[in-house]
Amino acid sequence: SQTIHQWPATLVQPVGSPLSLECTVEGTSNPNLYWYRQAAGRGLQLLFYSVGIGQISSEVPQNLSASRPQDRQFILSSKKLLLSDSGFYLCAWSDRGFEAFFGQGTRLTVV
Amino acid sequence: AQSVTQLGSHVSVSEGALVLLRCNYSSSVPPYLFWYVQYPNQGLQLLLKYTSAATLVKGINGFEAEFKKSETSFHLTKPSAHMSDAAEYFCAVSDRGNYQLIWGAGTKLIIKP
Repeated sequence: SQTIHQWPATLVQPVGSPLSLECTVEGTSNPNLYWYRQAAGRGLQLLFYSVGIGQISSEVPQNLSASRPQDRQFILSSKKLLLSDSGFYLCAWSDRGFEAFFGQGTRLTVV
Repeated sequence: AQSVTQLGSHVSVSEGALVLLRCNYSSSVPPYLFWYVQYPNQGLQLLLKYTSAATLVKGINGFEAEFKKSETSFHLTKPSAHMSDAAEYFCAVSDRGNYQLIWGAGTKLIIKP
């Protein structure tokens, strides 16, 4: 069966520090991969999605970037965090537009 | 462009009462439709999905939803609310062949004892 791993679960980082969140999927090949963010009291905002290795589409221009170095690995990065980057980050995968399966999320607090 | 509207950011019901969470979509062709639940500080979990089979879809935890093409709706119901149902619920739609899900803003379900 397929599983998705996302870590860390919580993270407190100072303003201006770098960020790296990692997500891996097991049990499937060539999944679509997604990074979402939830700000406090707001819905899901799609940040990036990927349909294959090295293929990244950005939905919202901002301080973040994403990479897919391997088929089932998706990384969210920032060179310098802003206070506004705080939120709940969710990684997800899907099989060609059908339902998405989510990781447990990372609570990022930028201080 | 596709859009999803969830009526009511917060819905409050008494324990044992009917739960009704509303979702309307805009689409020129019948889409795939989904309901997800999110508990605090957790990821989203699929409750149920409609992919053009039966219009009444049963999901986990006693929830069900009915696809009504004429009303472009996919409302989520549960006959009797339980305290453990308190969570946020998201409706989503997928254009067939597209790579993205379009999300509603979410409805927080509050259960009163």
